[in-house]
Amino acid sequence: AQTVTQSQPEMSVQEAETVTLSCTYDTSESDYYLFWYKQPPSRQMILVIRQEAYKQQNATENRFSVNFQKAAKSFSLKISDSQLGDAAMYFCAYRNSGNTPLVFGKGTRLSVIA
Amino acid sequence: GAGVSQSPSNKVTEKGKDVELRCDPISGHTALYWYRQSLGQGLEFLIYFQGNSAPDKSGLPSDRFSAERTGGSVSTLTIQRTQQEDSAVYLCASSFRGNYGYTFGSGTRLTVV
Repeated sequence: AQTVTQSQPEMSVQEAETVTLSCTYDTSESDYYLFWYKQPPSRQMILVIRQEAYKQQNATENRFSVNFQKAAKSFSLKISDSQLGDAAMYFCAYRNSGNTPLVFGKGTRLSVIA
Repeated sequence: GAGVSQSPSNKVTEKGKDVELRCDPISGHTALYWYRQSLGQGLEFLIYFQGNSAPDKSGLPSDRFSAERTGGSVSTLTIQRTQQEDSAVYLCASSFRGNYGYTFGSGTRLTVV
């Protein structure tokens, strides 16, 4: 079974600085998808960024980018120019191709210090 | 609808009672997923539907939990004879194609007293 590991239960960053959240996963598949979700106190899970395993280019969405290392099975999230609104739980997630369920890590709580 | 709608938003129930949690997915989304999030924990997969059928029920924690989906749309998660350990946030999500990720509802916070 696939597993997703987030080794940092909590992280903090100064406003306007950059922070990187770590994620590793375990799979024997070659075709899969990776995601980062943000969960603010409102409980609403928000998709931040996604990456297809067959793409070598790292995904980028505005201030959010990933460092996808397929051989190392690593998928870290970099948040640049951190803002107070970035404070939330961040979950890394994996899924095989098709409509199989997402497998989530346990999350990293990010605090942003003004 | 515009988003995934879950009701009720919060539910307090007495131990031993049955509860029904509802999820109304985005129109046209064929896949629907239920997850449970206990306090401070990650998301635990419960069950998913493709149309009205449930190919994967492996995450249901006991036979007190069941779910159904009708008309390829609304889904109901039922918990019978609730226990205190059932207290959690129950999240529903839907997707058209899974590789684009899910759209989540805001969840139902269930408290069993």
